[in-house]
Amino acid sequence: DAKTTQPTSMDCAEGRAANLPCNHSTISGNEYVYWYRQIHSQGPQYIIHGLKNNETNEMASLIITEDRKSSTLILPHATLRDTAVYYCIVRVSYSSASKIIFGSGTRLSIRP
Amino acid sequence: GAVVSQHPSRVICKSGTSVKIECRSLDFQATTMFWYRQFPKQSLMLMATSNEGSKATYEQGVEKDKFLINHASLTLSTLTVTSAHPEDSSFYICSARDFDTDTQYFGPGTRLTVL
Repeated sequence: DAKTTQPTSMDCAEGRAANLPCNHSTISGNEYVYWYRQIHSQGPQYIIHGLKNNETNEMASLIITEDRKSSTLILPHATLRDTAVYYCIVRVSYSSASKIIFGSGTRLSIRP
Repeated sequence: GAVVSQHPSRVICKSGTSVKIECRSLDFQATTMFWYRQFPKQSLMLMATSNEGSKATYEQGVEKDKFLINHASLTLSTLTVTSAHPEDSSFYICSARDFDTDTQYFGPGTRLTVL
């Protein structure tokens, strides 16, 4: 699975949109972009995933560039509960050999 | 969303004893389950992948005789830490892949402390 690069940390004001970038320049055509987050002392929580089209759900939006070499996770109205480590992962879907390998992620701090 | 449970959430044991951790997918079938370990201030590290009804595949450096994994059904996997030592103290997290959506969901984790 392709490697991703994320900033180590970011901060955002409560109520504003949090935009978390991720570079995955070596992504293959059959690899999806997944986002998870881990709140302190909990298991990772699935947020969203996509292949090439932008995606939106009740938690966030995922914007993938046309060349698929980078993406941005958008939390539209950040709250204090969004403070967590956010992981961007690329993996092949529907492959029995595919597994999620975590990098260091981005530590997002939401300030009041 | 899909729910994965783990039991126990926290366990303290004496050195030399064995500890079993259960992982269940509550509302979906998981042909593949994963076990991760996380030390303080570090990211999650994949330990092994298990497929229902077959032997687990361990990542390099993970002792298969120490970390026994059983995936006997489509909704249950267990991790047994045998002859636990203080260095095995960690946060153990399981994950299950939803067969229908191919999305991987994670349990809440089990904090193991070996005295």
